[in-house]
Parts: sequence; structure tokens; C-alpha cells
Amino acid sequence: SQELEQSPQSLIVQEGKNLTINCTSSKTLYGLYWYKQKYGEGLIFLMMLQKGGEEKSHEKITAKLDEKKQQSSLHITASQPSHAGIYLCGADRKGNKLVFGAGTILRVKS
Amino acid sequence: ETGVTQTPRHLVMGMTNKKSLKCEQHLGHNAMYWYKQSAKKPLELMFVYNFKEQTENNSVPSRFSPECPNSSHLFLHLHTLQPEDSALYLCASSALAGGLSTGELFFGEGSRLTVL
Repeated sequence: SQELEQSPQSLIVQEGKNLTINCTSSKTLYGLYWYKQKYGEGLIFLMMLQKGGEEKSHEKITAKLDEKKQQSSLHITASQPSHAGIYLCGADRKGNKLVFGAGTILRVKS
Repeated sequence: ETGVTQTPRHLVMGMTNKKSLKCEQHLGHNAMYWYKQSAKKPLELMFVYNFKEQTENNSVPSRFSPECPNSSHLFLHLHTLQPEDSALYLCASSALAGGLSTGELFFGEGSRLTVL
């Protein structure tokens, strides 16, 4: 099993709909990161969560960290085609070692 | 000018070839990373360099040989690779505070490697 499990693996939503992506860690979370990747390209940093209960928002994307459950969720409100891509969660392991989940592929239908 | 530049973007090589991937960052960061991304698998951390010193080798086969001549440049030398090594290789950099990464990694566009 993977250290970071993401669900769902893929998601197709109609433009304008809300959606949630989850990330669950098998180990204690010291820092949780969300990145977005367009197919075959590099990752773009979205946000970082470090404290239990922390919630951050950037435009229509909100991420929350539940430290007790070792989980984080990424919520997109009123999805747009520009939100399409692969969303990856990452977690700090022993200093500079950042590990990632397998990613959630998001497609937004116009 | 992008922050992290990788070359080449695409590389096709035979199993007996020797080639290198190059990564250059213009962000003033002191930590650099190589990741491997295969289809339907999580990103795999391969190597970490802090201030040009290798601090992490994630059990990577010796046919992959990293080199970090300075904090701005990172290479991945490839020799006698296998077809299963075909993947997207991503380079990243980050700032360091107190010797530890600040957490935000800046990624290059990746080098798509195909081993025949």
C-alpha cells in the first residue's frame, strides 16, 4: 500500500459543479502539500497545510487538514475547464523528503 | 525565463547508450531533487541534494548516477538502462531554512525518457 492514498483516482465533473479530492496518510502528517500537474508537465504548487484544522483557500480551491485523521481534502467550487489536470498531495518525511500520492485526474466537461 | 529548466524535454535511447539529463534552476535555491514519474504510479523520489551534497538516495539502481556541481545545476547520468526505466523524470528545487526544505518545491517541465 502507498503512504499517501488519494481518492478518487479520477473524476469527471460538469463545469460549474463542486468537487472534493481526498488524501489519506498512513503515517503522521507534519506537513501536507497540494500540487497540480498538467499531463506530461511539471507540478505547480497550490498550497501547504501544517497545522491540524488548518484551512487555506486560493481562488476557488480550498484545502483542509485533519491531523487526527491524517487526512486532507481539496475542494473546488464551481469548477471550470482551467481546473482540469492531475492533483497530487505530498507529505514531508524526515526533513527534505517529500513523498506524493498517485494523483487524482480531474476532467471538467463544458 | 522559467525558474527550473530541464533538458532535453524528450529523449529516446537504446539500452547500451549513455546519456544525461540536465536541470538548471534560477531561483537561488539550495536544494535540488530528482523524481521519477511512471504511468499510474506515485511520484518516486530518487535523489536529494542540499548545498551540492547528496542527502538522499532512495535505493536507486546504479545505472542512474546523479551529479550536482553547484547549487544551480543537477544532472542525471544514464547508462545501460532498461525499458522499465522509461518515464517522466522531474527535477525540482526548494529553498532551505535551517538546513530543511521550506516545503514548496518548484518543478521543471520534465524530461520524457523512452528506453528501447
